[in-house]
Amino acid sequence: KNEVEQSPQNLTAQEGEFITINCSYSVGISALHWLQQHPGGGIVSLFMLSSGKKKHGRLIATINIQEKHSSLHITASHPRDSAVYICAVDPYGGSQGNLIFGKGTKLSVKP
Amino acid sequence: NAGVMQNPRHLVRRRGQEARLRCSPMKGHSHVYWYRQLPEEGLKFMVYLQKENIIDESGMPKERFSAEFPKEGPSILRIQQVVRGDSAAYFCASSPQGLQLTIYGYTFGSGTRLTVV
Repeated sequence: KNEVEQSPQNLTAQEGEFITINCSYSVGISALHWLQQHPGGGIVSLFMLSSGKKKHGRLIATINIQEKHSSLHITASHPRDSAVYICAVDPYGGSQGNLIFGKGTKLSVKP
Repeated sequence: NAGVMQNPRHLVRRRGQEARLRCSPMKGHSHVYWYRQLPEEGLKFMVYLQKENIIDESGMPKERFSAEFPKEGPSILRIQQVVRGDSAAYFCASSPQGLQLTIYGYTFGSGTRLTVV
């Protein structure tokens, strides 16, 4: 079992739909990160969370430390949101940057 | 204010050659990290460096791979005697001294796609 699990693996949505991507982890963490990767492109950091909720534009990220679970929500989805979304954790006791990554959720938003 | 710069974007090497991947961190960032993304697999941590110091190389393969971050110039990930299995995307990220000083955490580069033929 991977230490960071994401669901779903693939997601297809219609433009305008509300989207949720989930991330569960099994280790103690100091922070959780949500990343976005476009095909053939670089990686963009969307959020860094250690508790609660953060919002940036149409993106919302939440984390429940007790349940070891985080969600990434996209409101009013748009085709340009099509990308792979990756959850990563900074585990307790690990050095900075020694992230454990989920396998990613491939999102496709149809017009 | 440029972000993390990686070059080259694409690199083709024949088996047995050396590959050198460069990473210039974001201005003001003193910590550099390298990650590898094998085809159809997730990202994996390789190494964490500060200027002139390797802090954590627990993810580096034991042979043929080395990394440095000299006092002047970019960080270099060096792969000697490349094999087909080294074909992957290699990403660099940077951060300041304290990650809590950032809003988004690590700043990633666009990656170098290495193809070994």
